[in-house]
Amino acid sequence: EAGVAQSPRYKIIEKRQSVAFWCNPISGHATLYWYQQILGQGPKLLIQFQNNGVVDDSQLPKDRFSAERLKGVDSTLKIQPAKLEDSAVYLCASSLDLVRGQPQHFGDGTRLSIL
Amino acid sequence: AQSVTQLDSHVSVSEGTPVLLRCNYSSSYSPSLFWYVQHPNKGLQLLLKYTSAATLVKGINGFEAEFKKSETSFHLTKPSAHMSDAAEYFCVVRFRRAGNNRKLIWGLGTSLAVNP
Repeated sequence: EAGVAQSPRYKIIEKRQSVAFWCNPISGHATLYWYQQILGQGPKLLIQFQNNGVVDDSQLPKDRFSAERLKGVDSTLKIQPAKLEDSAVYLCASSLDLVRGQPQHFGDGTRLSIL
Repeated sequence: AQSVTQLDSHVSVSEGTPVLLRCNYSSSYSPSLFWYVQHPNKGLQLLLKYTSAATLVKGINGFEAEFKKSETSFHLTKPSAHMSDAAEYFCVVRFRRAGNNRKLIWGLGTSLAVNP
């Protein structure tokens, strides 16, 4: 089966600019996650969707970050405006649903560098 | 409070020797447990998972982990390290929460180095 697809793989922007990332989960996976992984740290959950509804966005900096999953399939994560501390890898993951024990499958991530 | 602790931030082994990466959790409920591996500039790959079936879980690439409820541990092992095992390893625990959501708690990671 095809894995989680993310684009772009790399992005370099200047601070205060805007950027958007795209994720296409594994077909049939109802749950989609966006993570931020700063160099040398573990992933930090930004937002979790179940179909097109938000389940958990408690750690999403809502003043600058937004995400949507309008049709319950692919998703976009946007940062506007970007800050230097947003430099990180943004990982998208999907799982079948929220049932206990379902593992997450990850994309290769988008590496964001802020100048 | 629910938490996950990876006891070593860095582990270094020689090729062909055993690997032990330690993970402890704290929870009032029976959790689901996962180990993920991340190679440089790559996404995370599931190594294995425990979901209340057999306590000894076998994963990919020769790794296995044993769930020990009495010790609240889920240590990852491999009998013989290979150079390609050098990577970052994350222990992840899913705790029960109200409703159908399952909160995931990530460990801080253990960097495994394999020396020739």
